Amino acid sequence: QSALTQPRSLSGSPGQSVTISCTGTSSDVGGYNFVSWYQQHPDKAPKLMIYDANKRPSGVPDRFSGSKSGNTASLTISGLQAEDEADYYCCSYAGIHTLLFGGGTKLTVL
Amino acid sequence: QVQVVESGGGVVQPGRSLRLSCAASGFSFNNFDMNWVRQAPGKGLEWVAIIWYDGSNKYYADSVRGRFTISRDNSKNTLYLQINSLRDEDTAVYYCARRRHRSTWDIDYWGQGVLVTVSS
Repeated sequence: QSALTQPRSLSGSPGQSVTISCTGTSSDVGGYNFVSWYQQHPDKAPKLMIYDANKRPSGVPDRFSGSKSGNTASLTISGLQAEDEADYYCCSYAGIHTLLFGGGTKLTVL
Repeated sequence: QVQVVESGGGVVQPGRSLRLSCAASGFSFNNFDMNWVRQAPGKGLEWVAIIWYDGSNKYYADSVRGRFTISRDNSKNTLYLQINSLRDEDTAVYYCARRRHRSTWDIDYWGQGVLVTVSS
């Protein structure tokens, strides 16, 4: 299985909104609503930001939102803040009890 | 609080074997499915394997099936990953990670990771 496709990098200024896309196939993203997003700061463990495509765990700011349409899922960060600068990974259930991650997106806050 | 702490990493020669451990605390370990996820240096996350809460089922990524074995000892609140026939491409940080709930497919707690370096 090939990794889900994400843009390698994105940037935005404080206060702006950015959207990170995650494209898969009908066998993963398009076939299930089990898409999750993770934030990873350098040399830190990943942190769950979105699950089930559009649900936020408690403690995650409502500036983070998720959506899905067809084979593409998206993570939108509104009101960008300096601490949002990190790597972001999408992940999808890929059938037969397996998971598939995206290649990751490096978000830079200008 | 929920904690998972990996151990057992290090520098290993190609072809050798290694067993990673993950000690869990702060939650009912025997009620949760557990994963291993790895990250090669400077690369993205790669899901490796999952084991059911009771150890009854195990599933692997195609890239590791046949060489990696996930297991658990619920009496010791410990998760394991046995890695055989180590290859250069197995060099990575290995994370122990808890599946949040059996009705969904996401991970809510991650360890800090343990580095495995395959080198002669």
